[in-house]
Amino acid sequence: EPEVTQTPSHQVTQMGQEVILRCVPISNHLYFYWYRQILGQKVEFLVSFYNNEISEKSEIFDDQFSVERPDGSNFTLKIRSTKLEDSAMYFCASPGPGADTQYFGPGTRLTVL
Amino acid sequence: SQQGEEDPQALSIQEGENATMNCSYKTSINNLQWYRQNSGRGLVHLILIRSNEREKHSGRLRVTLDTSKKSSSLLITASRAADTASYFCATPPLFASGGSYIPTFGRGTSLIVHP
Repeated sequence: EPEVTQTPSHQVTQMGQEVILRCVPISNHLYFYWYRQILGQKVEFLVSFYNNEISEKSEIFDDQFSVERPDGSNFTLKIRSTKLEDSAMYFCASPGPGADTQYFGPGTRLTVL
Repeated sequence: SQQGEEDPQALSIQEGENATMNCSYKTSINNLQWYRQNSGRGLVHLILIRSNEREKHSGRLRVTLDTSKKSSSLLITASRAADTASYFCATPPLFASGGSYIPTFGRGTSLIVHP
C-alpha cells in the first residue's frame, strides 16, 4: 500500500510557541489533507490543499494555522502560537484509490504544555 | 450534517467471536466507508460500500448498508486479538468547489478482543 509519512512522530512545545508539522504525501497527487484528533475524540477535518492552494478549510483552521508546500514533495502545517487545546494527533492524508478514500499518515502527536 | 455516528462506543469480546458495529448518518450519501485505527496510529481504510450496494465482503469483514434507515453495519467474523482497534465510519460529502471528497468521521467504536 502507498505510504504517507509524517515527522516528527511526537512534538512537545510550550504554549505560545510555533510548531511546524511535516508530511510527505503519496507522490503525483495534487490533493492532500490535514486532520486532527484530540485524544479520545473524533477525527476532524482541518484543510485540503490542491495544486499549491487551500481548497477547503474547516472552522477549526483559523488564522493561527497555515499550510505550505516548501518543496515538491513536502507539505507543512504550521501553528503560529500554540494553545493548550491544540494538543492532539495531527494526520495528513493523500487521496486513495478512486479519490473517495484516503491514505493516512501515522500522525504527529502534538503536546502543548 | 453528513456525520456518521458509531454504536456501540465500546465493545469487548473474546477471540473467535463475531463483532458487530453500527453506524448511522443523517443525509443522503454516495458511499460509506469504514476505517480502522490502532492506538496512536493513523486511520487505515477498510472498505467502501456505495449507495446502490446492500452488502459487501472483504475477507473476514462484512459491511451492510440500509439507505432507507440511513445505517450501516460492520461485522468482523472470527475475531482475533489483532483486531483490537477503533473503527470509524465515514461519509464523504462532496464540497462544491474543487470536487474533493472529504470524509466526515464519527467518534468510533473501540473494539477489544481478548485472547
